[in-house]
Amino acid sequence: GQNIDQPTEMTATEGAIVQINCTYQTSGFNGLFWYQQHAGEAPTFLSYNVLDGLEEKGRFSSFLSRSKGYSYLLLKELQMKDSASYLCAVMDSNYQLIWGAGTKLIIKP
Amino acid sequence: GAVVSQHPSRVICKSGTSVKIECRSLDFQATTMFWYRQFPKQSLMLMATSNEGSKATYEQGVEKDKFLINHASLTLSTLTVTSAHPEDSSFYICSASPLKGSQGLETQYFGPGTRLLVL
Repeated sequence: GQNIDQPTEMTATEGAIVQINCTYQTSGFNGLFWYQQHAGEAPTFLSYNVLDGLEEKGRFSSFLSRSKGYSYLLLKELQMKDSASYLCAVMDSNYQLIWGAGTKLIIKP
Repeated sequence: GAVVSQHPSRVICKSGTSVKIECRSLDFQATTMFWYRQFPKQSLMLMATSNEGSKATYEQGVEKDKFLINHASLTLSTLTVTSAHPEDSSFYICSASPLKGSQGLETQYFGPGTRLLVL
């Protein structure tokens, strides 16, 4: 079956760096997405990786290794507003989006 | 740009009644709209995909007679939960894309969601 694994919850300190990992087993691969979702709100798009390597966007970076079925989202200079759930989603060979359950990130002062 | 609205944001209804949720793309034409459901602490579950002017494509396990989807125009899709029951209580999120197919999934803009509580 198809599976997306990411930690349920992580805690980090304001100003620090945190890495949220995502591993996947899917039938084919057509890209991996990261979304941010604040409690009670809809997801907002953060990044899309389809080739191996690191994509940097300001304080957020996303890495992909297709051979390992692995991605991570790196958040630098953490701010309190970064407290949210971070969803990993993979598009499989049928162009279906398979969603992870999300990682709840708690930022402490 | 690329704003998607949903109405209502919250709704409480009695068991057995029907509830309609609207999804609008405000500044672009949405060729494709997606409807998701999300239970607490769980991932998004795609319910159906709708293209303007054609019937929605429902995911396996989603009852099309219970969750009626109408994509009447390029800016509006509605989801009607018919004969709602407490187990239908969930967070319903729509997304819209100006593109079709896989490109639609890659470039979807999410609405703010509708929280439904069925008593």
